[in-house]
Amino acid sequence: QKEVEQDPGPLSVPEGAIVSLNCTYSNSAFQYFMWYRQYSRKGPELLMYTYSSGNKEDGRFTAQVDKSSKYISLFIRDSQPSDSATYLCAMIKNYGQNFVFGPGTRLSVLP
Amino acid sequence: EAQVTQNPRYLITVTGKKLTVTCSQNMNHEYMSWYRQDPGLGLRQIYYSMNVEVTDKGDVPEGYKVSRKEKRNFPLILESPSPNQTSLYFCASSLYGVSNQPQHFGDGTRLSIL
Repeated sequence: QKEVEQDPGPLSVPEGAIVSLNCTYSNSAFQYFMWYRQYSRKGPELLMYTYSSGNKEDGRFTAQVDKSSKYISLFIRDSQPSDSATYLCAMIKNYGQNFVFGPGTRLSVLP
Repeated sequence: EAQVTQNPRYLITVTGKKLTVTCSQNMNHEYMSWYRQDPGLGLRQIYYSMNVEVTDKGDVPEGYKVSRKEKRNFPLILESPSPNQTSLYFCASSLYGVSNQPQHFGDGTRLSIL
């Protein structure tokens, strides 16, 4: 079993839709959680990071962490065609700098 | 401009021929890391470095070597490449390697080992 699983996608939504992207993990040692966005032929870029269980909002993006269920989500409100990309969840253990990424979910927002 | 530069961007080579992929950052970052990205498997960390002369294995270090002799450079060395190392490789850096500091990624190096 992989340490981090992610909804495989691909996911296609109409412009303006609310998008939900999800990851689950198996190791309770993961304490820091991040979401990266990767455009085609580019390296990933950090969207959001969080440590605590609960919600964290940044503009149209909300990151949600449920440590008891080992489940994290990224919500995108009012999705735009420019949001079309692959979204990667990532996490690191409390005691190290070894980043573990999910396999990614490819999102297409159709105008 | 703050950036992570990888070279080459594309390389086709043959099994067993030693190769080096260079990575350089101009942000004075202490933390640097190498990843490989494969379909369905996502990004997997190969090696990372907390500072000069400090390196550690990630999840998939077999067949790779790294060195960190200077803060700005973190080359990835494949001593005897094999076809299973055909992949898209990314170098990244961040100030200290913790979650709230973004990792800046290069644009990737696509390696094909025949």
